[in-house]
Amino acid sequence: DGGITQSPKYLFRKEGQNVTLSCEQNLNHDAMYWYRQDPGQGLRLIYYSQIVNDFQKGDIAEGYSVSREKKESFPLTVTSAQKNPTAFYLCASSIDGGMGTEAFFGQGTRLTVV
Amino acid sequence: QKEVEQNSGPLSVPEGAIASLNCTYSDRVSQSFFWYRQYSGKSPELIMSIYSNGDKEDGRFTAQLNKASQYVSLLIRDSQPSDSATYLCAVNMGGNNRLAFGKGNQVVVIP
Repeated sequence: DGGITQSPKYLFRKEGQNVTLSCEQNLNHDAMYWYRQDPGQGLRLIYYSQIVNDFQKGDIAEGYSVSREKKESFPLTVTSAQKNPTAFYLCASSIDGGMGTEAFFGQGTRLTVV
Repeated sequence: QKEVEQNSGPLSVPEGAIASLNCTYSDRVSQSFFWYRQYSGKSPELIMSIYSNGDKEDGRFTAQLNKASQYVSLLIRDSQPSDSATYLCAVNMGGNNRLAFGKGNQVVVIP
């Protein structure tokens, strides 16, 4: 069953802690993306990767880090430097990072700081 | 100017009517345009993609693209209560091949 799997679905973090959100895809897609969505807002790009071992900052990368050691995996770490981390985090992938490619999303992780 | 703008507020339409959603974008070299549907609490789902000027129809959905005016729209014909959702416009920004999203338009179909 092909798709994009994000885990966990819900995550609670204490202030000052780092947390890592998992994103795995078995679609053999080259490109992967992380977005953040706040209530009533659109999606804002955090990081994206068009190929293994390479990634670029998006519009709101401060306080986040990523790695792309394997084609199928693109974990996102929310560090303690991210001042307002409570949000809905969405991982997406596309066949490649080219202009015509469609992106598909995982089910999301809802992060709450307690 | 924002990269992708969806300025309309919530749209209420009676069941069976046409819902019309609009989106403008700032990057003239953009070539790929997408509409996503997002139900409350869920992730976005791709419903339409369009690459050429003109209309593209898929079932009850029609996407319209006008690159000269930097404008893309989505029409939902014969609106159903199951169409009640937020619709996100997305544009592939040509300079660095990343996908930028508008804030979305909420559609409420009234039975």
